Amino acid sequence: DTGVSQDPRHKITKRGQNVTFRCDPISEHNRLYWYRQTLGQGPEFLTYFQNEAQLEKSRLLSDRFSAERPKGSFSTLEIQRTEQGDSAMYLCASSPYKTTTQETQYFGPGTRLLVL
Amino acid sequence: TQLLEQSPQFLSIQEGENLTVYCNSSSVFSSLQWYRQEPGEGPVLLVTVVTGGEVKKLKRLTFQFGDARKDSSLHITAAQPGDTGLYLCAGSIQGAQKLVFGQGTRLTINP
Repeated sequence: DTGVSQDPRHKITKRGQNVTFRCDPISEHNRLYWYRQTLGQGPEFLTYFQNEAQLEKSRLLSDRFSAERPKGSFSTLEIQRTEQGDSAMYLCASSPYKTTTQETQYFGPGTRLLVL
Repeated sequence: TQLLEQSPQFLSIQEGENLTVYCNSSSVFSSLQWYRQEPGEGPVLLVTVVTGGEVKKLKRLTFQFGDARKDSSLHITAAQPGDTGLYLCAGSIQGAQKLVFGQGTRLTINP
């Protein structure tokens, strides 16, 4: 039984570089979520997909951020022209879609990004 | 503005003591979840509560959802050093899929 996986676990980059993170959800989970967590805070919602459709984006997701889930399975989150303020833990979660109600979300281990 | 307020933010107690963590809001939630997070790892689900007044027990942990579904509490009996971690409450508002998190309670149990 595999949970949500994320790659890489850690990323150090220089300001201005582009980075891409990958998330593999629990198999057969239709919904996939991205959150960002800064030090000392709870996670904040960025965006979510149902299958391949991106259904909601937070105002936190600036034009430099883009997320995709092309085949409704894994997802990627890209940050272009990184800034020091992008340094955070990026968390992915998935949930099954059985009804219209909100289902429990299961989180991956996260990708910790440090922008120098 | 924090939609979910957790208290206390920090708690350090001795092994064997009891403690309660609170999660409060002025909003009504369709469900509320408690997670525990270790440093450098993602949150791990402890429990989901969906019915107002619901009480769930997980060994020494007792979770309660308020009657009006605006608040929740986590009670730990006879705390152990292994309970040390960051406890997060998270809720979903009716019709929304995203989770809103509290700022967390950092719990330290001293041997």
